[in-house]
Amino acid sequence: NAGVMQNPRHLVRRRGQEARLRCSPMKGHSHVYWYRQLPEEGLKFMVYLQKENIIDESGMPKERFSAEFPKEGPSILRIQQVVRGDSAAYFCASSLVWASGGSSYNEQFFGPGTRLTVL
Amino acid sequence: QQPVQSPQAVILREGEDAVINCSSSKALYSVHWYRQKHGEAPVFLMILLKGGEQKGHEKISASFNEKKQQSSLYLTASQLSYSGTYFCGTERKTSYDKVIFGPGTSLSVIP
Repeated sequence: NAGVMQNPRHLVRRRGQEARLRCSPMKGHSHVYWYRQLPEEGLKFMVYLQKENIIDESGMPKERFSAEFPKEGPSILRIQQVVRGDSAAYFCASSLVWASGGSSYNEQFFGPGTRLTVL
Repeated sequence: QQPVQSPQAVILREGEDAVINCSSSKALYSVHWYRQKHGEAPVFLMILLKGGEQKGHEKISASFNEKKQQSSLYLTASQLSYSGTYFCGTERKTSYDKVIFGPGTSLSVIP
């Protein structure tokens, strides 16, 4: 059972370039979340996607950032025209929301993260 | 919207106990607890749904007081391997499936 896969693990970009971060969820998981983490800080929610749908993107900056989760293939977080302030670790998590006893559980499994450095 | 965690940081000697608290100003559906070691991904510890629910994971347990919108994580007889940053994540009743994480509590266990 492969876990959540993210690639690349490390990405270096110069200011103004584009960064593409990929996330392959665990097998059978249809929910994907992206989080950003600055050094010594917490996990900041960015976006929540299900297959072919963006459910909640309230944590995404309005400009330069976009995310997708196509029917086939990994989820992609795209950052256009990167700036130094985009340097951070970006984690993806996937979940399989399941129900038991009238309650639904949303256990999230995190990938290893992509560490983006903008020069 | 982000839950509040306390304390921000704690240092323990091996074998000592600790409590980490998490509270929200909004009605909660569930509380999640994760541990993250430096440079690694967060690892799921447990999820609590029902008010009054308590769960255990080895010597780590947690409670959830739905009325007070609070959860506490209890670490007993701490081990060196417990060191890391502990995050609580909350799901609000008005936005299921979206988990918002607190700022984290740094726990250091020393010999």
